[in-house]
Amino acid sequence: DAGVIQSPRHEVTEMGQEVTLRCKPISGHDYLFWYRQTMMRGLELLIYFNNNVPIDDSGMPEDRFSAKMPNASFSTLKIQPSEPRDSAVYFCATLSGRGDTGELFFGEGSRLTVL
Amino acid sequence: RKEVEQDPGPFNVPEGATVAFNCTYSNSASQSFFWYRQDCRKEPKLLMSVYSSGNEDGRFTAQLNRASQYISLLIRDSKLSDSATYLCVAYYGQNFVFGPGTRLSVLP
Repeated sequence: DAGVIQSPRHEVTEMGQEVTLRCKPISGHDYLFWYRQTMMRGLELLIYFNNNVPIDDSGMPEDRFSAKMPNASFSTLKIQPSEPRDSAVYFCATLSGRGDTGELFFGEGSRLTVL
Repeated sequence: RKEVEQDPGPFNVPEGATVAFNCTYSNSASQSFFWYRQDCRKEPKLLMSVYSSGNEDGRFTAQLNRASQYISLLIRDSKLSDSATYLCVAYYGQNFVFGPGTRLSVLP
């Protein structure tokens, strides 16, 4: 398996523009998590899905952020409009079955810079 | 107060040294605990789980004290390749809460 695949790897955009980040999970993994990482705040959970259904979106910072998982092989995180404080690395991670085994598989991340 | 807190670091140690990382968690409902490793500009990867009885994986030893809500990671005979950020993770209800991480640099 190719692992969790994220795109784009890097994006530089201007304030006010729409940003869409994409994630292809590992086949068969029924949990998908979106995290954001910054120097100041570390890794923060934004939202997670179970079998394509959003379970907990309490970490989504505000209405400018939205996430979807239309099917088991694809998820998007959208920021509209983007702001400089959204600059961060966004990770998608997936998990098979129970979480107490602990092995979240992360993608390589999407590094977003909003000017 | 953050849910998971760690030594701020960075830790700069010579090769061969023993280094210990400390972590505390505030949510007593946390069920499981883990250490992840993150190399510079890379994604986090699972290093090891942490069991109440303590567990060892080669040069790495993890300990958990539920009464004190404290977790530790000990690295013996450190190698240059151990240089990374070590993230303490508490798990409950399918929620993985990551600590801020402690950066380790092993120097030749």
